Amino acid sequence: GQQVMQIPQYQHVQEGEDFTTYCNSSTTLSNIQWYKQRPGGHPVFLIQLVKSGEVKKQKRLTFQFGEAKKNSSLHITATQTTDVGTYFCAAGAGSYQLTFGKGTKLSVIP
Amino acid sequence: EAQVTQNPRYLITVTGKKLTVTCSQNMNHEYMSWYRQDPGLGLRQIYYSMNVEVTDKGDVPEGYKVSRKEKRNFPLILESPSPNQTSLYFCASSLQASGNTGELFFGEGSRLTVL
Repeated sequence: GQQVMQIPQYQHVQEGEDFTTYCNSSTTLSNIQWYKQRPGGHPVFLIQLVKSGEVKKQKRLTFQFGEAKKNSSLHITATQTTDVGTYFCAAGAGSYQLTFGKGTKLSVIP
Repeated sequence: EAQVTQNPRYLITVTGKKLTVTCSQNMNHEYMSWYRQDPGLGLRQIYYSMNVEVTDKGDVPEGYKVSRKEKRNFPLILESPSPNQTSLYFCASSLQASGNTGELFFGEGSRLTVL
């Protein structure tokens, strides 16, 4: 099946520093979604990107979809302890299947 | 309240003893799916269903069965569980739109241990 690479696997940041996770596919995607999973919790939908070059913001979170629709990123400005968790991208390729990346686990040091 | 409900939340069982993990959603979603989550491997899809009586294999279907007799329910069946099926299982549902899977709503998860 389709493969989606997500990096880094882990990221430790000092509170107030920025954080970015990247998602890459070898094939062109129809859409990409991002999810956040708090420790001990379940994945929760953050956003969906559909258009080439799309950029969406949610407060301190900025999501981008590459021009070629093969990569995406999630950037958090000035991290807070509430940002702790694992962030997953989920790639759609025009079918009803979503392929999840392995996730980036974010730790924030107060 | 819109939700996806899984049961049981925790289960310890023994090799070969058939078990079923139930999943129910109250949002009238057409699409439902099962995932397993293992350390370092992320979320891997087991089976999915696009509507009643329509199911298909995901990436790791071996050792699992599903059924979709009603729109709201999508049980996951382990006919003969083995220790390598020890995992955290999530059920999810979504509306389908324009050939893509929409926002997934996840259940709380079911932690299964097979001894």
